[in-house]
Amino acid sequence: EAQVTQNPRYLITVTGKKLTVTCSQNMNHEYMSWYRQDPGLGLRQIYYSMNVEVTDKGDVPEGYKVSRKEKRNFPLILESPSPNQTSLYFCASSLHELAKNIQYFGAGTRLSVL
Amino acid sequence: DAKTTQPNSMESNEEEPVHLPCNHSTISGTDYIHWYRQLPSQGPEYVIHGLTSNVNNRMASLAIAEDRKSSTLILHRATLRDAAVYYCILRDVSSSNTGKLIFGQGTTLQVKP
Repeated sequence: EAQVTQNPRYLITVTGKKLTVTCSQNMNHEYMSWYRQDPGLGLRQIYYSMNVEVTDKGDVPEGYKVSRKEKRNFPLILESPSPNQTSLYFCASSLHELAKNIQYFGAGTRLSVL
Repeated sequence: DAKTTQPNSMESNEEEPVHLPCNHSTISGTDYIHWYRQLPSQGPEYVIHGLTSNVNNRMASLAIAEDRKSSTLILHRATLRDAAVYYCILRDVSSSNTGKLIFGQGTTLQVKP
């Protein structure tokens, strides 16, 4: 089944403890992206990647890192999480840049930073 | 990206058709109209998109006004599983951009049994 898989689905952590949220897609998509969703603010893009080894900042990249060593994986790294990063996170992918308006989303990761 | 306007909420009865409107009076000639939906506790899901002509797929139909200033997503027979927030988004394929999708407030659809 074609899908975007995020892990974990739920995570509670403490301030400053490094964490990684994984994202994997099995559709051979070139484009991948991370969003966070907060009440009243909609979805905001954190980082995106047009292809392997090509990543760029979205609208809210502060406090996050990403890597794209393989086409299928696009992990989101929080080096030193803070409470304002408590949010619902979504990973998305699409076939390639020209098709990036049709994106497939993961089920989401709900993160709480205490 | 041009702005869209949708009603905050709509109700429908199960098994009946639902017409979800979207106004986009400032749409440009190269903007495609996309619809996504987000079911409770899930990520957004692509539904359908079109440019000028009406479009049909297994999930829904998209009716686009002749002047393209509005469009309507049609669910032919609503089911309880269709209860979600529906987002109408305009996307210009021709421009180079970050690929980010800007979801507005959307329309919350309630389906009553």
